[in-house]
Amino acid sequence: EDQVTQSPEALRLQEGESSSLNCSYTVSGLRGLFWYRQDPGKGPEFLFTLYSAGEEKEKERLKATLTKKESFLHITAPKPEDSATYLCAALGGYQKVTFGTGTKLQVIP
Amino acid sequence: EAGVVQSPRYKIIEKKQPVAFWCNPISGHNTLYWYLQNLGQGPELLIRYENEEAVDDSQLPKDRFSAERLKGVDSTLKIQPAELGDSAVYLCASSLGGTIGDTQYFGPGTRLTVL
Repeated sequence: EDQVTQSPEALRLQEGESSSLNCSYTVSGLRGLFWYRQDPGKGPEFLFTLYSAGEEKEKERLKATLTKKESFLHITAPKPEDSATYLCAALGGYQKVTFGTGTKLQVIP
Repeated sequence: EAGVVQSPRYKIIEKKQPVAFWCNPISGHNTLYWYLQNLGQGPELLIRYENEEAVDDSQLPKDRFSAERLKGVDSTLKIQPAELGDSAVYLCASSLGGTIGDTQYFGPGTRLTVL
C-alpha cells in the first residue's frame, strides 16, 4: 500500500528563519510528487510537481527537491504570509494519488 | 479564468438525511475528482472521472455514496443516508486529463456537518 509521511506535523518559525519540510514516500512506481499549500477554509493550491530523483523546482521563497525516498520543501527567509499547511502527494501506479497529512507552518513576525 | 466551483460551501444536516454536493470543474478539464478531507488530514480520493466514466471508485462507500457526471462536465456527489462520521470537507478537483501527473486544481470544498 502506498504511503506518504510528512514531518514535522507543525513548525513555528520566526520571520526570516529558513527551514525545510520533509515528505517521505513509499510508492510503487512513482510517477510524480506534488506539493500543495492549503490555507484555512480553502482547497489545496498547487505549488510544484517533481517527476524524477534529482529534480528541483523553485517559486519565490520555496524550493522543492526530490530523492528516491523523500522530497523536501525548503523555505528561505519565510514571511508571515507563508503561514499555511503544506501538503505533499505522490502519484503511483494505476494513477492513484496518496496525500500526506501535511505540515502546519506558522511564521511569526 | 474561473476556478473549480463548488456548492454549497457549508451544509448542516441531521443524521439519516440525504445530502448532495455540486461541482463545476475548470472549463476544458476532462478529469474530475472528489476527495474527502477530515480535520488535520490530507485529502482522500473518493472517485475519479475521465469525462463521463468513473475510472476509479474503489474508495467510494457505495452503500450510501453515489456520484454522477452527466455530459462529462458538472458532477454531483450524494450521500444517503448521512451518518455522523460523514462530517468532513468534501473537495472537488479537476485536471486537463490525458497525461499522467497532470496538475489538479481544487475547489474551496463543502464543509458538511452531520448532527
